[in-house]
Amino acid sequence: SYVLTQPPSVSVAPGKTARITCGGNNIGSKSVHWYQQKPGQAPVLVIYYDSDRPSGIPERFSGSNSGNTATLTISRVEAGDEADYYCQVWDSSSDLGVFGGGTKLTVL
Amino acid sequence: QVQLQESGPGLVKPSQTLSLTCTVSGGSISSGGYYWSWIRQHPGKGLEWIGYIYYSGSTYYNPSLKSRVTISVDTSKNQFSLKLSSVTAADTAVYYCARGPRELLDYWGQGTLVTVSS
Repeated sequence: SYVLTQPPSVSVAPGKTARITCGGNNIGSKSVHWYQQKPGQAPVLVIYYDSDRPSGIPERFSGSNSGNTATLTISRVEAGDEADYYCQVWDSSSDLGVFGGGTKLTVL
Repeated sequence: QVQLQESGPGLVKPSQTLSLTCTVSGGSISSGGYYWSWIRQHPGKGLEWIGYIYYSGSTYYNPSLKSRVTISVDTSKNQFSLKLSSVTAADTAVYYCARGPRELLDYWGQGTLVTVSS
């Protein structure tokens, strides 16, 4: 099955830009979706189809996808952005979604 | 706004069958266009897609769980359900139900912790 690789953790100071990567073989040919999960809560979709934002998600959240890496970018990071972030793609070979292992974003 | 709510026993004995139901409000399962999924998260771990169902009853399961999983839908009650048989401690997890246009999940339930223990 398709494998997605994320760094276990990313740290960033408030007001700076955080970049969370998601690696996969030719991931640029797939659509990537990103979820934010705060402690004790269900995941929330923050980016879909590589770079679209659901209503209610701040413009500070953006996404890109090319080659073997997709990136979730959070600009002007706030303390409230501290959470686990998961990337996800559709694996057409198994007709099922696949998640990355998740990245814990720490706001210093 | 669509809302999903999981319900079912929080404690299941080893070798028994885990049964959960997801009740959908704010939208009809039978209206089509969306797939209804179950996802689980082992304590302190990542997300695992268990499988999903369409309102017509078509199902797709994670190959690693396929032999033990059944997902069904009851459109009259606007609910869909998960059954996982022959559970072990390794099935202890938070179980989420969710909706999406198959390839992504745009609405999630709050999740329910199921512990497998005697």
